[in-house]
Parts: sequence; C-alpha cells; structure tokens
Amino acid sequence: QKEVEQNSGPLSVPEGAIASLNCTYSDRGSQSFFWYRQYSGKSPELIMFIYSNGDKEDGRFTAQLNKASQYVSLLIRDSQPSDSATYLCAVNTPNSGGYQKVTFGIGTKLQVIP
Amino acid sequence: ETGVTQTPRHLVMGMTNKKSLKCEQHLGHNAMYWYKQSAKKPLELMFVYSLEERVENNSVPSRFSPECPNSSHLFLHLHTLQPEDSALYLCASSRDSGSRTDTQYFGPGTRLTVL
Repeated sequence: QKEVEQNSGPLSVPEGAIASLNCTYSDRGSQSFFWYRQYSGKSPELIMFIYSNGDKEDGRFTAQLNKASQYVSLLIRDSQPSDSATYLCAVNTPNSGGYQKVTFGIGTKLQVIP
Repeated sequence: ETGVTQTPRHLVMGMTNKKSLKCEQHLGHNAMYWYKQSAKKPLELMFVYSLEERVENNSVPSRFSPECPNSSHLFLHLHTLQPEDSALYLCASSRDSGSRTDTQYFGPGTRLTVL
C-alpha cells in the first residue's frame, strides 16, 4: 500500500535548537515532496517543496531528499516557540488518471520549549 | 478576497439535513480538491477536479456529492450524513494537477459536526 509515514510526536526541542522532522514514503515513482505547517485549528500552509536529491535551504528551513532511501526530512534551525505546530509531509506521485496524486502523512507535532 | 476561501467556516447539521460547502479560489488555478481531515488521521483526498472535470473520486460515499461549475468554484453537497463524517473539510487548488511541480494551496476549512 502506498504510504507516507511520519512519527506523530510530539517532538519537543528547546528554543534555539535544531528541530529535525522525518518522513518516509513507499512509492518509488514519487516525484515531488512538500512540507506543510498546520497550526491547531488552522489549515495547512506550504513551507517548502523539493524535487531533486540533496538539500534545499530557505531561511531557517532546510529540506533534504534521498530518493534511494525514500526519505525526506525538514530541519528547522534556531527553533522558535512560534514554530510549534504540526508538520505534514506530502508526496506527489503520477496517477493513471493523468494527474499528480498527493498523499499526506499523519504529521509530526513539534513543540518548541521557551 | 485572495487565495482560497471556504464557507461556512463552521457547520452543525443533523443526519437528515442537506447542506452544501462552498470553495472559491482567486489564484487562477485549474485544479481544485476536497480533503477530509479527521483527528489522528492523515488528510484524505476525496475529489479532484481539473478544468471542471472530475478526475478522482476516491471511494467516497454517495452522501457526499461534489460540483464544479467553473474552475474558480467548487461545492460539496452533503445529505444524510453520519456522525463519523464530522471532520474538518479542506478545499485546495493548484495550477496544473498533471505537473510534478504542482503545489496545492489550502483554504481555511469548514469544521463540520454531524449530530
């Protein structure tokens, strides 16, 4: 079964530390990978996307992709209490219907302790 | 209005009621989606529309009926729902559902409670 797996957490890190969020996926045909942040009671908002193996940096956020290991991660440097949220990993996979099907993980709840 | 909007934001309905959820996107996108988000479960894709044509019906019960009159508007018609249908219903849109670089943007959601 095609899946996206995440540890639901909570992951607790002290303020200023690096938070490391991990995601694995089962379908080797997956082509693009997204990280969304979802605050409690709110809708998901896009943080980053990555298509190629390696690292992609955007401010305090770094996405890492390893297609051979079917693994994608998100690093948050200098974590702030405002980063406390649930982080959703999403994976795009071509579908027989001619569109990219997005599969979401359950999300990892991050708590940044002041 | 900008982005993706949804109305109503909260809805309480009885099992015999008929109601509709509305989604509107102001991004010029060609694809629209309905998702269901329940506690402790991943987002579940319900329906996908590309250029007003339904391209995915993800084994959703017939008590949920989508409608996409144009590329900017998407509705979810609800009738004879069950209490287990209580959830956050999210609408999303994207530029091109067939592109690997396609990115979905979400509306604020409708919190649905079925009594």
